[in-house]
Amino acid sequence: GAGVSQSPSNKVTEKGKDVELRCDPISGHTALYWYRQSLGQGLEFLIYFQGNSAPDKSGLPSDRFSAERTGGSVSTLTIQRTQQEDSAVYLCASSLERGGIAGELFFGEGSRLTVL
Amino acid sequence: AQSVTQLGSHVSVSEGALVLLRCNYSSSVPPYLFWYVQYPNQGLQLLLKYTSAATLVKGINGFEAEFKKSETSFHLTKPSAHMSDAAEYFCAVSAPGGGADGLTFGKGTHLIIQP
Repeated sequence: GAGVSQSPSNKVTEKGKDVELRCDPISGHTALYWYRQSLGQGLEFLIYFQGNSAPDKSGLPSDRFSAERTGGSVSTLTIQRTQQEDSAVYLCASSLERGGIAGELFFGEGSRLTVL
Repeated sequence: AQSVTQLGSHVSVSEGALVLLRCNYSSSVPPYLFWYVQYPNQGLQLLLKYTSAATLVKGINGFEAEFKKSETSFHLTKPSAHMSDAAEYFCAVSAPGGGADGLTFGKGTHLIIQP
C-alpha cells in the first residue's frame, strides 16, 4: 500500500500481558515516529528512528516500553506487563527528512490498545 | 528546542462563520510549520505547511494559514465553516535536529461546528 500501515487496529488485552504493535512505513521514508494519544489528549512523543542512527528513546514512559526497527523499515513497539494506564491509541508516522529537518509526517490509522 | 502553543483546547463556531485556530511557536532557527487535522477514529493528515516560501499558505478544504515571524504565529483560518470541519487540529513546528527535539506538536484544538 501507499500509506503507513499499522496493525492491529484494535487490541484488547489483560493487565500484565505483553503486546506488540506493528508499523509499516511508506517505502523510502527514513524517519519513523511513534506517538501515544490518550482519550481526548494531544500527542505524546515516544520514540524516533532515523536511518541507521541510534533511536531517540527519550519519550518512552518506562522500561516496559521498547521499540525496534528492522532493516530501516518495519517497526515494532512492545509493551511488557501492560497496565491500565497504557490504554491509548498508538500512532506511527513516517517522513522523509532533508537536511535533518522533519518534513511532512504521514500517519497511520493507529492501534487502539485497551488494557482490562 | 522549540515549543508550540495552541490557544483554546476547544473552539466552537456556527456553520458558515469564520474559523480561527491560533498557534504560536518558539524556535531559535527558522522553522517549518504544519497544521494537521484528525477526524474521529483516524490518524492525522496534513492540512498545510510552511517551509520558508510564501508566508500565506493555502491548504486543503479551504483552509489557509499565515506565517508571521514578528508575532511568531501561524494561525489557521477558513472563511466559512462547514459541518465536516469538526475535528481535532494540531499545529506543529519542525527545526533541525529531528526526533523529540526536532518536531513538536501543540496540544490540539477541538473544533466544534454548531448548526
